[in-house]
Amino acid sequence: GQNIDQPTEMTATEGAIVQINCTYQTSGFNGLFWYQQHAGEAPTFLSYNVLDGLEEKGRFSSFLSRSKGYSYLLLKELQMKDSASYLCAVRERDYKLSFGAGTTVTVRA
Amino acid sequence: DAGITQSPRHKVTETGTPVTLRCHQTENHRYMYWYRQDPGHGLRLIHYSYGVKDTDKGEVSDGYSVSRSKTEDFLLTLESATSSQTSVYFCAISELPDRRGYTFGSGTRLTVV
Repeated sequence: GQNIDQPTEMTATEGAIVQINCTYQTSGFNGLFWYQQHAGEAPTFLSYNVLDGLEEKGRFSSFLSRSKGYSYLLLKELQMKDSASYLCAVRERDYKLSFGAGTTVTVRA
Repeated sequence: DAGITQSPRHKVTETGTPVTLRCHQTENHRYMYWYRQDPGHGLRLIHYSYGVKDTDKGEVSDGYSVSRSKTEDFLLTLESATSSQTSVYFCAISELPDRRGYTFGSGTRLTVV
């Protein structure tokens, strides 16, 4: 099973940077994913880490430390459209994903 | 985007009635999943399938059954709906190895009254 923790809510100002942390415990790590979910919509893929280090994709970056069971998602140059829920998900060796409860990010003007 | 559709999108049903939700994919992916999403709990796995007629339970499978008679269709049945099954249900598909994890359907909002 999984134990995946992330903050419930975060608020930031347009143009700022926000970092969403995720900690996890797993018996067989096989990748970590971040998804974005706007209210009333399906989750959509943002990033994937399987090795330690930083993955950068435009304004979004994701970091992984397998030894610490830790990841973060970094959102830069925040825009109003980034207001959404961000889900951390861990894949185990059986390839099923387990999800954290999600972090709701509110971007203020 | 991957071709995955869920039906119905919204449903209101009465306690004790059976309900079937449908997930249809056009991607020919082997793996299909049913999750429910509730405030404070995130997405929780109900059942999944790793091939035609091959299914297994997830962490919250009580009160649910599934069937997969064709690669493209994965059905979720609530045998006798209860108010605790009021939720948003998401279907997801994947093919391994997949760096995107899952691709999700648009969800079904089910209300049991």
